[in-house]
Amino acid sequence: KNEVEQSPQNLTAQEGEFITINCSYSVGISALHWLQQHPGGGIVSLFMLSSGKKKHGRLIATINIQEKHSSLHITASHPRDSAVYICAVYKAAGNKLTFGGGTRVLVKP
Amino acid sequence: EAGVAQSPRYKIIEKRQSVAFWCNPISGHATLYWYQQILGQGPKLLIQFQNNGVVDDSQLPKDRFSAERLKGVDSTLKIQPAKLEDSAVYLCASSSNHGGGTQHFGDGTRLSIL
Repeated sequence: KNEVEQSPQNLTAQEGEFITINCSYSVGISALHWLQQHPGGGIVSLFMLSSGKKKHGRLIATINIQEKHSSLHITASHPRDSAVYICAVYKAAGNKLTFGGGTRVLVKP
Repeated sequence: EAGVAQSPRYKIIEKRQSVAFWCNPISGHATLYWYQQILGQGPKLLIQFQNNGVVDDSQLPKDRFSAERLKGVDSTLKIQPAKLEDSAVYLCASSSNHGGGTQHFGDGTRLSIL
């Protein structure tokens, strides 16, 4: 079993819909990253969080340390949000990221 | 602030040939990472540098892969000889902290082995 699991693997939404991507991990962590990868390969860091909630524009990330779970929400989704969203964790006392397999999101106009 | 620069963006070679990738991290970032991302999977760390020293290369296939960061700035990753299973996107990232900080990624090099 992978240490970082994401669900769903693929998600299709209509423009304007609310999207939720989930990330569960099985190890102690010091921080969790949400990353966005567009076709072509480049990765952008969206959030790094170790507790609570962060918001940037239409994106919201939450984390529950006790339940070892994080969610990424996209409000009022838009076709330009179509990308692969990757959850990655820094293990406690570690200094390298462990990645989930990614969630491929397609937002249709 | 300029981002992480990688070149080339694409490379196509035949198996058993050699290939090299180049990465220029964000100025002042001491930590540099090379990742391999196979299609449909998350990135896998190949090697991590702190300045010009190797911190972690436990998943680097050392019989064919090598990497260096001679002056603690730019880095090169080489594959010699390439195998079909090396087809992937090779991503470079840098961070200002010795682990635990936000990593900034380049656009990657897409390698295809024929």
